[in-house]
Amino acid sequence: DQQVKQNSPSLSVQEGRISILNCDYTNSMFDYFLWYKKYPAEGPTFLISISSIKDKNEDGRFTVFLNKSAKHLSLHIVPSQPGDSAVYFCAALNAGNNRKLIWGLGTSLAVNP
Amino acid sequence: EPEVTQTPSHQVTQMGQEVILRCVPISNHLYFYWYRQILGQKVEFLVSFYNNEISEKSEIFDDQFSVERPDGSNFTLKIRSTKLEDSAMYFCASSERGSFRGASNTIYFGEGSWLTVV
Repeated sequence: DQQVKQNSPSLSVQEGRISILNCDYTNSMFDYFLWYKKYPAEGPTFLISISSIKDKNEDGRFTVFLNKSAKHLSLHIVPSQPGDSAVYFCAALNAGNNRKLIWGLGTSLAVNP
Repeated sequence: EPEVTQTPSHQVTQMGQEVILRCVPISNHLYFYWYRQILGQKVEFLVSFYNNEISEKSEIFDDQFSVERPDGSNFTLKIRSTKLEDSAMYFCASSERGSFRGASNTIYFGEGSWLTVV
């Protein structure tokens, strides 16, 4: 039962351009969303998050957009850098649960110089 | 920057054998976790541990699994009688607080222990 879906297993972007990573969810009880980045041979690291009471959160080059009606969120990276090449995981928290993360399968981003 | 460390990085074991995966969480953290990721599948929550007891566990975490904090620094995951389907990357993680809501309330993952059951 894939409650958090990242339908694009991979994405390739030119350095300096925008990377857009998408995430859809099915559970309307999710009220907090997080993005993690994972390099090979390393554990995931927290990148950015958004509460369902917001539709946008920005942190430097990273912006997450949330469309609650569509149950869709996206992570924008502008400008993309080769060091951004990694697997990006979307994760969600259910209302009333503060730490049991529900993960997507991840999207592998390759930023080409 | 403080980090979560895990050993071994890779272990191959025969089906039916017991395995212990070890983790040293970040020193001032109070909450500890194990996650796993089977190759090609999503990251899955196994268990959370706080105040020397399990605070939450998933349906995956059955009697085959156990966790322990044997001393002030280590946090271990024991898998009794391993099965082929236990082959996965096991991630240990820790957090200072029990909530991941808020950018400062984050969870820190170790590099993972890759378990191969043959």
